[in-house]
Parts: sequence; structure tokens; C-alpha cells
Amino acid sequence: DAGVTQSPTHLIKTRGQQVTLRCSPKSGHDTVSWYQQALGQGPQFIFQYYEEEERQRGNFPDRFSGHQFPNYSSELNVNALLLGDSALYLCASSLTKGWKNTEAFFGQGTRLTVV
Amino acid sequence: GNSVTQMEGPVTLSEEAFLTINCTYTATGYPSLFWYVQYPGEGLQLLLKATKADDKGSNKGFEATYRKETTSFHLEKGSVQVSDSAVYFCALSDPPGTYKYIFGTGTRLKVLA
Repeated sequence: DAGVTQSPTHLIKTRGQQVTLRCSPKSGHDTVSWYQQALGQGPQFIFQYYEEEERQRGNFPDRFSGHQFPNYSSELNVNALLLGDSALYLCASSLTKGWKNTEAFFGQGTRLTVV
Repeated sequence: GNSVTQMEGPVTLSEEAFLTINCTYTATGYPSLFWYVQYPGEGLQLLLKATKADDKGSNKGFEATYRKETTSFHLEKGSVQVSDSAVYFCALSDPPGTYKYIFGTGTRLKVLA
């Protein structure tokens, strides 16, 4: 079991550009959540996808958007990048099963640097 | 809104010392509570969890008890090792079972040999 995999591991973008980050959930999981972790801070919830739809959203602007594919993998897109978007982006996968609270597994993250 | 407050680090201990990392929370309902650990260059790993008041989560010698009366979930370990050096995050799920986590700011632990 490969666990949660994210790509790329690192990338550097210029202000104003757009970026796409990718996540493959743990085998058997159907729900993907995205978090932003600024340096020295705890992760902040961006949004969550289930059944190819955004189910919950945190306090992030519309520049942050996402998608979930039929195979449960997911993408996070950020438009019009700002310097403040520099952070570690974490993907977490879980299984929605009658709202039972089981463990969420995190990937190793994508380190985005905006210059 | 709901929030999590952790003691600030870094916490520096000698090997075999006793560890306590304080965590308190604010929540309108009855959240589930978690401790995650982040080793350098890695993502988050679940260390332990508790889903209702008075539950005790435990794993790898670490323990935390869900105290509703004091809204706390303090992490403890009786004897730390150098390999425990990492950043520890307290979190709650809001609402319970939805995997939408609210994290504290993290506490860095450094254990010296």
C-alpha cells in the first residue's frame, strides 16, 4: 500500500502564475482534504472533496480551487499566485462511511515557493 | 469559532525525561481530539486520538486524556527518546467524523542524548 502520494514534492513559481498540485489517496479511501501549512504554523483546512464534489471549504479565496476524479485522486489549483501562498500543501485521505470517525492519512506534502 | 491552543516551543528535554505538551480547545459541540506528529521533511502521522470525554488515547508510550471539564487534551510520555524529536500538533475534528481538522500551531520537541 503506497499510502497517500503527492506530486510534485517541490516547485517554484512566479507571482501571478497558476499552479496545480496532485494527490492520490490511500487505497480504499474516497475522500480527499487539502491543507496549507505555512512555515512554523499548523495546517489550515482549504477544502474537502467527496464523490467528485467540494463538500466543505475553509476560509480561502476563490483563487484556490480543486477537483476530484472518478478514481478519487484530486488536484488543487491556485491562480494568481501571491508571495503569501508559499507553504507546504498537504493532502489527507479518508473513508466516508456513515460519518464514522476513522483515521485520516496525510501525504508528505508539496513545498510551493512563490518568488 | 472552534480553535486549538498549544503550548509554545521549542521544548528541550534530556533522554528519559518526562514530557508534557499542553493543549486546550474551544468547541461548541463535542469534537474528536487528536495528536499528530511531524518528523523533519515528512507529512503528518496520527499519534493518538480520543472521541469522547474521559477517553484516553495511547500509542508508542504517549498518552492523552480527553478532559471535557477543562477542555484539555494534554500529551504525556513517561520517558522520551532522541527519536521522539519532532513537531507535535494537537487537533480537533469539526464536526466530528468529517476529517475537517483544526490544528494548533505545533510544539517542537528536541530530545538530547
